[in-house]
Amino acid sequence: DAKTTQPNSMESNEEEPVHLPCNHSTISGTDYIHWYRQLPSQGPEYVIHGLTSNVNNRMASLAIAEDRKSSTLILHRATLRDAAVYYCILRGLRGSVYGNKLVFGAGTILRVKS
Amino acid sequence: NAGVTQTPKFQVLKTGQSMTLQCAQDMNHEYMSWYRQDPGMGLRLIHYSVGAGITDQGEVPNGYNVSRSTTEDFPLRLLSAAPSQTSVYFCASSYWGAGTDTQYFGPGTRLTVL
Repeated sequence: DAKTTQPNSMESNEEEPVHLPCNHSTISGTDYIHWYRQLPSQGPEYVIHGLTSNVNNRMASLAIAEDRKSSTLILHRATLRDAAVYYCILRGLRGSVYGNKLVFGAGTILRVKS
Repeated sequence: NAGVTQTPKFQVLKTGQSMTLQCAQDMNHEYMSWYRQDPGMGLRLIHYSVGAGITDQGEVPNGYNVSRSTTEDFPLRLLSAAPSQTSVYFCASSYWGAGTDTQYFGPGTRLTVL
């Protein structure tokens, strides 16, 4: 019962923007969209999250479709240090459909070329 | 804050042995969870807890036990180790309920079962 769908892998050139897509067609109105990334040989780390509006932080931007059935993580200038697996995860409130379990999909492997 | 700590970092077991992987957090988080990650795959949820005395199963709970006697600690017990349990184990914690809570991951325990 995968709740998000992401491409298996993507490739980017260093210093160029990267757009990582995620489909979540069964999202409910109270589910937040979270993005995490996992650098090689490390535990996952938080990147960004949002509900309805686009969000920006020092690491990335999150663009959320108007119907909330998809979102895109945007790295404005990819560096070699951004090479990682990126996970799109739905996070619900207590008692919501996804609220009691946090499920990581396979994620997207981002390769950055110098 | 030390964040989420896990011990040991590495462990080798023989088939049939039992052991406990330790996880502790000092952020007063209600929610704690255990994941396993097999080579080339995403994280799969083993067990989780939303507070002291409350635990529930994730996607792959068989062969593992957990308990949560304090807010800080969430140990994972392997009852009778099998080669199929060779994996990297991550513990994570967060606040619980709002959907916006960031999960913090430990550095992982790399377990090999011979």
